[in-house]
Amino acid sequence: AQTVTQSQPEMSVQEAETVTLSCTYDTSESDYYLFWYKQPPSRQMILVIRQEAYKQQNATENRFSVNFQKAAKSFSLKISDSQLGDAAMYFCALRRSGTYKYIFGTGTRLKVLA
Amino acid sequence: NAGVTQTPKFQVLKTGQSMTLQCAQDMNHEYMSWYRQDPGMGLRLIHYSVGAGITDQGEVPNGYNVSRSTTEDFPLRLLSAAPSQTSVYFCASKGLGDTDTQYFGPGTRLTVL
Repeated sequence: AQTVTQSQPEMSVQEAETVTLSCTYDTSESDYYLFWYKQPPSRQMILVIRQEAYKQQNATENRFSVNFQKAAKSFSLKISDSQLGDAAMYFCALRRSGTYKYIFGTGTRLKVLA
Repeated sequence: NAGVTQTPKFQVLKTGQSMTLQCAQDMNHEYMSWYRQDPGMGLRLIHYSVGAGITDQGEVPNGYNVSRSTTEDFPLRLLSAAPSQTSVYFCASKGLGDTDTQYFGPGTRLTVL
């Protein structure tokens, strides 16, 4: 069975500061993808960043970057220069390659303080 | 482009009643799915489909049925509602191929008394 665990129900960060959201996962597969999704109050889900497990290099998208530690099964999201618009629920997710089943964590609510 | 639409927005059922949650998308996406979102549980996949006539089970399929007769529509049926099915339900779609950008509907808040 595959699982995704987010141990931080809520995090706060000052505007313009950096925050890191944690995620650990468990899978016996060797080929899989990891994701961070953002869910603002509108409840729409937005794909923030994607990491392919076979790639050593950590994915980066503008102010968002990940720290992917495959051996430790850890996948944290770093948000730099935090903005008020970053306030949302963030979900870590896993998908085994070749399937369409997404496994989501329980989410971390991020508050950005002005 | 309406994207992904869901009806109704809110619904209250009594235990044992049946109902269908509607989901439609106008982006010609092959992949459609249903999730439920519960406090402290995150999103859990109920059923999904990769095209008309093709459906498969997700993590929590029991008590739910789906069918996919057209590319646009993917209804979710609750056969005999139970209080444990009280949740917010999201429908999502995406194209097949190398993309994980999912387009989510606005959700249906279902309460089963």
